[in-house]
Amino acid sequence: EAGVTQFPSHSVIEKGQTVTLRCDPISGHDNLYWYRRVMGKEIKFLLHFVKESKQDESGMPNNRFLAERTGGTYSTLKVQPAELEDSGVYFCASSQVPRNEQFFGPGTRLTVL
Amino acid sequence: AQSVAQPEDQVNVAEGNPLTVKCTYSVSGNPYLFWYVQYPNRGLQFLLKYITGDNLVKGSYGFEAEFNKSQTSFHLKKPSALVSDSALYFCAVRDTTTSGTYKYIFGTGTRLKVLA
Repeated sequence: EAGVTQFPSHSVIEKGQTVTLRCDPISGHDNLYWYRRVMGKEIKFLLHFVKESKQDESGMPNNRFLAERTGGTYSTLKVQPAELEDSGVYFCASSQVPRNEQFFGPGTRLTVL
Repeated sequence: AQSVAQPEDQVNVAEGNPLTVKCTYSVSGNPYLFWYVQYPNRGLQFLLKYITGDNLVKGSYGFEAEFNKSQTSFHLKKPSALVSDSALYFCAVRDTTTSGTYKYIFGTGTRLKVLA
């Protein structure tokens, strides 16, 4: 069974540009989560999808971040325009039911210059 | 507020010695606790979880964790460390304040270095 995959693995952009991160959850997992680890700090929750619906987006930092999950399969996280403080590692995770353990992808390392 | 603390940024241990990576938590209600490990250039891998039951939880790769309710701790342990255990370890607790989300609250991570 394939695990959670994320693309790209690394992205380097300039301040003001747009970047889109993609996450493909484990097949059949309705629950998809985005997290972020900034500058060696704790990993912080961004949002949670159940299928295509946003269950909880309380962790989204501001309106420069837009997450979508059209069709309830893969998800994208767009940052527009990117700022320096957006640099970090963005993790995606999925679970079959919310109370089960979450399976994480390898992360996307975003560097904003 | 719910939180997880990993007081050590780095733990060094000699190969073959026992290791402990510390974690304490603060959560309302019953805690659901997890340990994850991140190897270089890899994602977070699930090690073990405590939901209820025995205070000593056994997980992958020979790791175990001891839940201590009075000390609000969930320390990760292994009787004999391997060089290949060198990695970044994260403790997490499941949020209990938001219904239906089950999001995780993570600690800052502890880098374990096992010396040959």
